Amino acid sequence: KQEVTQIPAALSVPEGENLVLNCSFTDSAIYNLQWFRQDPGKGLTSLLLIQSSQREQTSGRLNASLDKSSGRSTLYIAASQPGDSATYLCAVLATGTASKLTFGTGTRLQVTL
Amino acid sequence: NAGVMQNPRHLVRRRGQEARLRCSPMKGHSHVYWYRQLPEEGLKFMVYLQKENIIDESGMPKERFSAEFPKEGPSILRIQQVVRGDSAAYFCASSPGQGFSPQHFGDGTRLSIL
Repeated sequence: KQEVTQIPAALSVPEGENLVLNCSFTDSAIYNLQWFRQDPGKGLTSLLLIQSSQREQTSGRLNASLDKSSGRSTLYIAASQPGDSATYLCAVLATGTASKLTFGTGTRLQVTL
Repeated sequence: NAGVMQNPRHLVRRRGQEARLRCSPMKGHSHVYWYRQLPEEGLKFMVYLQKENIIDESGMPKERFSAEFPKEGPSILRIQQVVRGDSAAYFCASSPGQGFSPQHFGDGTRLSIL
């Protein structure tokens, strides 16, 4: 059974810092891994999707890496801003299911002025 | 370019009543997924549907919960005889193709049971 863990559960950093969020999964048989952002009372916004054959994806100040063999992904946020404050979720799509995403419980990020 | 539309955004029901949650997928998307987020927990998969078919309902509670995605109209998640433990945020996602296409999420329905 696939399990996804995110560390840390919460993080507070001053504006301008670079930071790394971690995601680990127990079963390496995945199609892809997605990073989402969730603002309070809102839905999920997809940030980056990494296919199982890829090592990393970049979008603006965000960079996500995937090491499938070790069951790990990181989300790197450069030059953090207060607007980056949100909960960040990673989710994996396991092979053999082609449907259900398995989510971690998220990292709650606060970027302070 | 409307995204995934869910309504209502907030729903309050008393114990024993029925709750109906609606989801209209993005234009061109024929695959719909429902997830539930209990307080202080992660999102959990409930059901995956295509038009007129339930593909995977392995995450659905065995009783009181049902889902449909008719040929015309939105997908409906129905909860009968609601209990306090059903209080949660229910999210719908859609994709244009099979599950390994990116899923796009709606803003969710917050269900509160009195």
